[in-house]
Amino acid sequence: QKEVEQNSGPLSVPEGAIASLNCTYSDRGSQSFFWYRQYSGKSPELIMSIYSNGDKEDGRFTAQLNKASQYVSLLIRDSQPSDSATYLCAVNAGRGNNRLAFGKGNQVVVIP
Amino acid sequence: DAGVIQSPRHEVTEMGQEVTLRCKPISGHNSLFWYRQTMMRGLELLIYFNNNVPIDDSGMPEDRFSAKMPNASFSTLKIQPSEPRDSAVYFCASSPSYNEQFFGPGTRLTVL
Repeated sequence: QKEVEQNSGPLSVPEGAIASLNCTYSDRGSQSFFWYRQYSGKSPELIMSIYSNGDKEDGRFTAQLNKASQYVSLLIRDSQPSDSATYLCAVNAGRGNNRLAFGKGNQVVVIP
Repeated sequence: DAGVIQSPRHEVTEMGQEVTLRCKPISGHNSLFWYRQTMMRGLELLIYFNNNVPIDDSGMPEDRFSAKMPNASFSTLKIQPSEPRDSAVYFCASSPSYNEQFFGPGTRLTVL
């Protein structure tokens, strides 16, 4: 079982719609969860971090964490063409280890 | 703040040659990470340092790869001898804590 899984294929959404991305992780003791955005040919950029169950909102982005079900999601409201990118889910197991495990990413295409 | 600095940004070399990638982390960050990204395998952690000490090198592919961090502001990743399958984008990231990591622009390596 992979540490972090992002199974959805490319996601196409019309401009103004909500894009929803999901991620599951295998280590039940994981402590910290992150979403990175990566534009084609660029480096990953941190956009959200979440550490406790529930929702965390930052502008048009909302991260949701459910530790019991071992999943974390990212919602992008009012999607814009500039949101077209690959979104990487990353999980830190904590316990004194600051290694991040990354999913393979989900490509989002916002159609004007 | 200048962010994480990597050099060179692009490297083209021939099989068998030595390649050295360089990274300057963000000042004050005590952890440094080397990643490799390919389409097939996604983003893979090669090695990370905490306070200049290598903590986890389990991702280093084989003995051809080595990494050093002689001081808090500089790290190198060396491949000797290089092979075509080493072609990838290599990222360096730094972190101030056991949490968020900030990525450099990456080095695109092509081994012919």
